[in-house]
Amino acid sequence: AQSVTQPDIHITVSEGASLELRCNYSYGATPYLFWYVQSPGQGLQLLLKYFSGDTLVQGIKGFEAEFKRSQSSFNLRKPSVHWSDAAEYFCAVGSWNSGNTPLVFGKGTRLSVIA
Amino acid sequence: SAVISQKPSRDICQRGTSLTIQCQVDSQVTMMFWYRQQPGQSLTLIATANQGSEATYESGFVIDKFPISRPNLTFSTLTVSNMSPEDSSIYLCSVGEAGAGGYTFGSGTRLTVV
Repeated sequence: AQSVTQPDIHITVSEGASLELRCNYSYGATPYLFWYVQSPGQGLQLLLKYFSGDTLVQGIKGFEAEFKRSQSSFNLRKPSVHWSDAAEYFCAVGSWNSGNTPLVFGKGTRLSVIA
Repeated sequence: SAVISQKPSRDICQRGTSLTIQCQVDSQVTMMFWYRQQPGQSLTLIATANQGSEATYESGFVIDKFPISRPNLTFSTLTVSNMSPEDSSIYLCSVGEAGAGGYTFGSGTRLTVV
């Protein structure tokens, strides 16, 4: 069965520092990978997604993620974090034939940003 | 990408009552997915709703508690029955589209049971 592991429950970084959020997946077919962000009291916002092509994918808000098939990972990065990036981040895996397959979410990583 | 209209956006309900959440999609889709997000938690799949057949429930979720209706290819409802404070959560519907369309989520229903 497909699953997503986000090993870090909570990460604190200083504003302006770099960020990497880890995500490992288990999926029986070619995965369709996603990162979402959720600010307190807000809905999910899609940051980026990857299915094929260049393994480094760019998203919104200056985020990028790198797909590494050999490591079953899809880590999210940002070179310089802003205070407004403080939120909950979810990695998810689905199917390119996504009409019939639901997204499976990791447990999330809460990002705190300090001055 | 599909657009989903989900209502209500929030509600406060008395324990023991039921609430029905509706999701309307602007295009025909085969499957609709219902999720629950408990406070401070991730999204957990409740069930998959296929038009014309009974919904498929995930472990830990039962039809008597979360009955689902899927009368056509653009609409679905989820009812939270006999509510208790533990049912206080955000409930979301979602659809998937083959290819680059990815997945679309409704805006969510924030339920508080008192």
